[in-house]
Amino acid sequence: IAGITQAPTSQILAAGRRMTLRCTQDMRHNAMYWYRQDLGLGLRLIHYSNTAGTTGKGEVPDGYSVSRANTDDFPLTLASAVPSQTSVYFCASRVQLAKNIQYFGAGTRLSVL
Amino acid sequence: AQSVTQLDSQVPVFEEAPVELRCNYSSSVSVYLFWYVQYPNQGLQLLLKYLSGSTLVKGINGFEAEFNKSQTSFHLRKPSVHISDTAEYFCAVRGSDMRFGAGTRLTVKP
Repeated sequence: IAGITQAPTSQILAAGRRMTLRCTQDMRHNAMYWYRQDLGLGLRLIHYSNTAGTTGKGEVPDGYSVSRANTDDFPLTLASAVPSQTSVYFCASRVQLAKNIQYFGAGTRLSVL
Repeated sequence: AQSVTQLDSQVPVFEEAPVELRCNYSSSVSVYLFWYVQYPNQGLQLLLKYLSGSTLVKGINGFEAEFNKSQTSFHLRKPSVHISDTAEYFCAVRGSDMRFGAGTRLTVKP
């Protein structure tokens, strides 16, 4: 079934450790996004990529990095995790011509202790 | 940039009752408007969208929303809810970028 796959589904991480959240889509969408979801704050954009080879900063980029080596993959890296990065992370993708509709993965629940 | 305000963080209703989830936005540019639904432990699914044309848009699962430009609102409605509608609902607006509201937790009681 076509869609967006995120891995892992959940993770407990010690503060200071490095972590990469994976996101893969098989819909050949141009644009991809990473959001974090926190209670009372909704979804906030961390980083985005409009096409392979390009990335940009969103609303809350500090402490995170991304890469877009190809169309399908958009990993999110926490170089040195901190407890404030405890959140649920969602990857999304969008076809440029699809009237701005974003499709979401199932999320990664990350706890930084 | 745009902003989105969902006026109710929680809405409890009884089964078969009508419901309205309120959303207001602000933007200096023309916008597209969306409602997404998130069931427990799942990602977001598109419920409906307003891009242009008729201000009353119908979505999946019997939901509809009305775009009111003068009041900058995009409230979501359903005439009769089911237990299975229990979920978190997010209003989103896309202008220069995409912004989401904080969410409204709809709880349908038997």
